[in-house]
Amino acid sequence: EDKVVQSPLSLVVHEGDTVTLNCSYEVTNFRSLLWYKQEKKAPTFLFMLTSSGIEKKSGRLSSILDKKELFSILNITATQTGDSAVYLCAQAQGGSEKLVFGKGTKLTVNP
Amino acid sequence: DGGITQSPKYLFRKEGQNVTLSCEQNLNHDAMYWYRQDPGQGLRLIYYSQIVNDFQKGDIAEGYSVSREKKESFPLTVTSAQKNPTAFYLCASHRGQLYGYTFGSGTRLTVV
Repeated sequence: EDKVVQSPLSLVVHEGDTVTLNCSYEVTNFRSLLWYKQEKKAPTFLFMLTSSGIEKKSGRLSSILDKKELFSILNITATQTGDSAVYLCAQAQGGSEKLVFGKGTKLTVNP
Repeated sequence: DGGITQSPKYLFRKEGQNVTLSCEQNLNHDAMYWYRQDPGQGLRLIYYSQIVNDFQKGDIAEGYSVSREKKESFPLTVTSAQKNPTAFYLCASHRGQLYGYTFGSGTRLTVV
């Protein structure tokens, strides 16, 4: 059984749309929840969330964590074709700090 | 600039051969990790090391081996015991629990 579950697995939108990506995780040994953007090669870091209810924002991207319901969302407003990528959610586990990844959401933004 | 260097970017291997993937970092990070990525599978942990001369198996360690003789280096050997080695391999490091990971650019291994 997957420990980090992302939904949807795939999403196709038009430029200018707003999208919400979902990530649910396990509580076991939770340290933090991270979001990455991957465009063919290395994932690039977007956000690290440790506290519930505090929104993190970077330009058109924002993310929030709900530690009671064990999920996080990543919002992208006014999407652009450059936002097309796989978005990965990962739970960092305390001690080893190893990351448990979800399968990712493939976002395609059409012009 | 500091970062993680993985080499080679592309690697072809014949069945039955061992190959070693290189991962070098100049970030002075203690912890290093190897992940494997298959299409539709996300990233799965192969091995990790939190300190020099020590490493632990991840979720899919069978058919792989690692060493950590220097802080800067964490090479991964894909042995002939790994039955399905074709995948994208990512090396990562971080310096503490409050910081995100830094990833290398990856090595794409193909068995021919």
